[in-house]
Amino acid sequence: DTGVSQNPRHKITKRGQNVTFRCDPISEHNRLYWYRQTLGQGPEFLTYFQNEAQLEKSRLLSDRFSAERPKGSFSTLEIQRTEQGDSAMYLCASSSIDSPLHFGNGTRLTVT
Amino acid sequence: AQSVTQPDIHITVSEGASLELRCNYSYGATPYLFWYVQSPGQGLQLLLKYFSGDTLVQGIKGFEAEFKRSQSSFNLRKPSVHWSDAAEYFCAGRGGGSNYKLTFGKGTLLTVNP
Repeated sequence: DTGVSQNPRHKITKRGQNVTFRCDPISEHNRLYWYRQTLGQGPEFLTYFQNEAQLEKSRLLSDRFSAERPKGSFSTLEIQRTEQGDSAMYLCASSSIDSPLHFGNGTRLTVT
Repeated sequence: AQSVTQPDIHITVSEGASLELRCNYSYGATPYLFWYVQSPGQGLQLLLKYFSGDTLVQGIKGFEAEFKRSQSSFNLRKPSVHWSDAAEYFCAGRGGGSNYKLTFGKGTLLTVNP
């Protein structure tokens, strides 16, 4: 069990650029979650996959955001035309039917 | 709406003192409740969880939490705090469905004085 891995750890981008983050869950976990955390706040749910199916999306996930989990293993989160308000820590978590959520160390996005 | 509330934004304790971090929940049925800890720039580490059964649950690093239905609370405790416990603590909950999505409180930042 190597834990949940997220890349990159940090990303600095200019407003209007597209960015993509990757999450590799714990291998036997079929559930994968994306959360966003801003300074002084708890993590906020963005979206949830069970295997390759995206089963729930938060209203926070505007049409500039898209997430995929093409083979039910790793997942990507893409933000198009980034805005300064997108600056946050993006956390990925995974779980199985009998385990709680295990979180990665996150990707910190800074939009300048 | 389902929610978790952490009333204290920031708590300061002296090393060796006891600690209690408060968490209140609002769910229609008995929720699944969790405490996570986050060090600066890091992800969240699970301290303990409550699903059902014994209302006093033990976790890692010497932490425990007690589920009190009458008070809608799930407070985190530690009898003697160590300097390394300084971090942000999050209470989280979810309902009983197949989606294990968690709702988090806003967190309590713990400072430990020497």
